[in-house]
Amino acid sequence: NAGVTQTPKFQVLKTGQSMTLQCAQDMNHNSMYWYRQDPGMGLRLIYYSASEGTTDKGEVPNGYNVSRLNKREFSLRLESAAPSQTSVYFCASSEAWNSPLHFGNGTRLTVT
Amino acid sequence: AQSVSQHNHHVILSEAASLELGCNYSYGGTVNLFWYVQYPGQHLQLLLKYFSGDPLVKGIKGFEAEFIKSKFSFNLRKPSVQWSDTAEYFCAVTNSGTYKYIFGTGTRLKVLA
Repeated sequence: NAGVTQTPKFQVLKTGQSMTLQCAQDMNHNSMYWYRQDPGMGLRLIYYSASEGTTDKGEVPNGYNVSRLNKREFSLRLESAAPSQTSVYFCASSEAWNSPLHFGNGTRLTVT
Repeated sequence: AQSVSQHNHHVILSEAASLELGCNYSYGGTVNLFWYVQYPGQHLQLLLKYFSGDPLVKGIKGFEAEFIKSKFSFNLRKPSVQWSDTAEYFCAVTNSGTYKYIFGTGTRLKVLA
């Protein structure tokens, strides 16, 4: 009964390094989302995938790329990390566009 | 563009006080509205949702929200808060046009025992 699983839980990068955040859900959900959470700014949508095979930009897509590998998995890639990308990243999934979101436990990323 | 505004950023209440948190959205089409709660150190959890029908929706832990279409509002209420309601509360909206799921900036509630 895992729900939404994110890895890693913590990561420290140096400016310019790259990394991929992994997300997998076992609820057979169609839609998946990546958010970043920063103090005072709420959750901001980075990218989303309304269904397998599609991805779209959210509110703050610059500096990120995504891959909907299959129905279960939705990864977020930082090609060249910047200090402004220091944040807590949440992956979420939902059965449909108008269904409640199920969140992973988050990845705390620090870029120095 | 679709957006959500939460005007109260920080709220401090004493136990048993009544709570109302404001949420306004900007989108003219068909929307679905949600309130989520985030307890310290945890991820977001659903409090309640509005899809259609009765504009007054009830959620978990005694929370309710009223959808007022003419005001583009979906305010969260609770008649009597408890210390355990200390958390951050987020309003969210989705729409059938873009499938985006947008959150407000959140309201941090502190309840004093």
